Amino acid sequence: QKEVEQNSGPLSVPEGAIASLNCTYSDRVSQSFFWYRQYSGKSPELIMSIYSNGDKEDGRFTAQLNKASQYVSLLIRDSQPSDSATYLCAVLTASGTYKYIFGTGTRLKVLA
Amino acid sequence: GAVVSQHPSRVICKSGTSVKIECRSLDFQATTMFWYRQFPKQSLMLMATSNEGSKATYEQGVEKDKFLINHASLTLSTLTVTSAHPEDSSFYICSVTGQGLYSGNIQYFGAGTRLSVL
Repeated sequence: QKEVEQNSGPLSVPEGAIASLNCTYSDRVSQSFFWYRQYSGKSPELIMSIYSNGDKEDGRFTAQLNKASQYVSLLIRDSQPSDSATYLCAVLTASGTYKYIFGTGTRLKVLA
Repeated sequence: GAVVSQHPSRVICKSGTSVKIECRSLDFQATTMFWYRQFPKQSLMLMATSNEGSKATYEQGVEKDKFLINHASLTLSTLTVTSAHPEDSSFYICSVTGQGLYSGNIQYFGAGTRLSVL
């Protein structure tokens, strides 16, 4: 089992719709979770961090964390073509060394 | 967020030459810097973790003699790809975490360096 798993996509949604991106992780004691957006040829940029169970909202983005299910998701409301990118889920390891494990990313396409 | 400067943004070099990439944290003390490599259509692969004033910790399978990392100060880490070969062509990205204003274990990335070895 991979440490951080994401569906590679592409996930296609029409403009204005809600895009739902999912991520599961294997390290049960992890406490810090991040969503990054990466445009082609660019480095990742932070969208959201989440540390507690429940929802965290920032503008059009909502991160959801369920530690019992080892699941973290990102909802993008009112999706725009400019949201088309690869979304990376990252988990900070809590056991052993201090490092971030990235999922393979989900490619999102927002259709105009 | 924190400002991370990475240079150069693009390098084209001949096989056998060495290439140095710099990563600077411009507005906070980066106690830890990470170096990643990303091949096309793949995710980020951690190469090594660099702590100021100590030796870097390399991930399994990454040759420490080929990828030399120096983290001499709280604001600067360098990655040197020695005797580069075409298979080293990739997108290299640094990131920083640290103390103070920008905390919460958030990782901030440099813009990346695209290395092409001919």
